[in-house]
Amino acid sequence: DTGVSQDPRHKITKRGQNVTFRCDPISEHNRLYWYRQTLGQGPEFLTYFQNEAQLEKSRLLSDRFSAERPKGSFSTLEIQRTEQGDSAMYLCASSLVEGVVYTFGSGTRLTVV
Amino acid sequence: AQSVTQLDSHVSVSEGTPVLLRCNYSSSYSPSLFWYVQHPNKGLQLLLKYTSAATLVKGINGFEAEFKKSETSFHLTKPSAHMSDAAEYFCVVSDHTGGYQKVTFGTGTKLQVIP
Repeated sequence: DTGVSQDPRHKITKRGQNVTFRCDPISEHNRLYWYRQTLGQGPEFLTYFQNEAQLEKSRLLSDRFSAERPKGSFSTLEIQRTEQGDSAMYLCASSLVEGVVYTFGSGTRLTVV
Repeated sequence: AQSVTQLDSHVSVSEGTPVLLRCNYSSSYSPSLFWYVQHPNKGLQLLLKYTSAATLVKGINGFEAEFKKSETSFHLTKPSAHMSDAAEYFCVVSDHTGGYQKVTFGTGTKLQVIP
């Protein structure tokens, strides 16, 4: 296992379109996190899963955002009706034990034009 | 309340000179503290972590940080900067606020290393 994988690395989409990102965590990690990072800012928490259960969602996660982890393995993050303000790097991380080390993926850079 | 403040958005040092990246935190609970590094177009990589063991923590690539509860600080240091250290560094605090694990990233410090 080579770490956390995110796909795609880059996504350019027109405003109003839907996009979906995928994250494959480290296989034995039961926690999976989504973060958003905009230029000049630190990553901001969006949501996290323990196994297949989504345990917390940030206020940043509007109704247009939905995340799933159906089998407790990979996760998807969908953004519906994208807006220019959604342009950011979307980071996925996984961990084995809460409060300890996160392993981050390289992120998906979304550009909404 | 949980928060983390990185006091410098940019730090510039000459190669071979010491590095100091400052971080102050606020937490109502016993926090864990981390430093992550992010190279351009790369993911975040853990440098080191403090989880209530030794207050002086050694990390990868010669970095270390000291947890000072009285000063609510967790500054990152390195004795001698290398060109490859040029990157953005994030201080992170983690605790169990309201029964849930909460993690907050600082806004980052960009380290420039001058040859």
